Amino acid sequence: DARVTQTPRHKVTEMGQEVTMRCQPILGHNTVFWYRQTMMQGLELLAYFRNRAPLDDSGMPKDRFSAEMPDATLATLKIQPSEPRDSAVYFCASGLVRGQGSREQYFGPGTRLTVT
Amino acid sequence: ELKVEQNPLFLSMQEGKNYTIYCNYSTTSDRLYWYRQDPGKSLESLFVLLSNGAVKQEGRLMASLDTKARLSTLHITAAVHDLSATYFCALRIQGAQKLVFGQGTRLTINP
Repeated sequence: DARVTQTPRHKVTEMGQEVTMRCQPILGHNTVFWYRQTMMQGLELLAYFRNRAPLDDSGMPKDRFSAEMPDATLATLKIQPSEPRDSAVYFCASGLVRGQGSREQYFGPGTRLTVT
Repeated sequence: ELKVEQNPLFLSMQEGKNYTIYCNYSTTSDRLYWYRQDPGKSLESLFVLLSNGAVKQEGRLMASLDTKARLSTLHITAAVHDLSATYFCALRIQGAQKLVFGQGTRLTINP
């Protein structure tokens, strides 16, 4: 049963600390997305990668957020320094793009981040 | 700017009743998705609609797409409590892989 996995599932940290979230996409998928979900803003795309290359990170605050794919099985989202307004659920999703594009995006369980 | 708007945002209904959730969007797209999210859980893909007039059904849920009207609907037939969840529509921006989500419709089905 192929699934997107994310770690940690929950993270509580103090303002100013560095936070790293990890995602393992479904094996064979070539596109990875990072979303943030909050009550106020809903679901927002932060960044996405295709074949490990960043295609769009326009939704991400560049001064404190960074996203990378060190290899095809790992995507990371880092916040440094973290702020209380970063508190949200961060979802990773993966898909397989061929030709016209992927049929579906499969979402991981999310990382619930609380910054105090 | 692409906007995806769902209506209603909150819906409370009785078991056995029928209802429709609407998803309007502001620009052309080649793909529309419906997702379900249970409280504290991830998003589960329900339907992918690829073309004008597309209709897909799974159990008590049926989704349709009218690209000329820029409207998709999710129809619930004879609702049961297990369908209580938040439902999102999402639009794929043409030429890109990114999705833009609607605000979500929180559906509560009362026995």
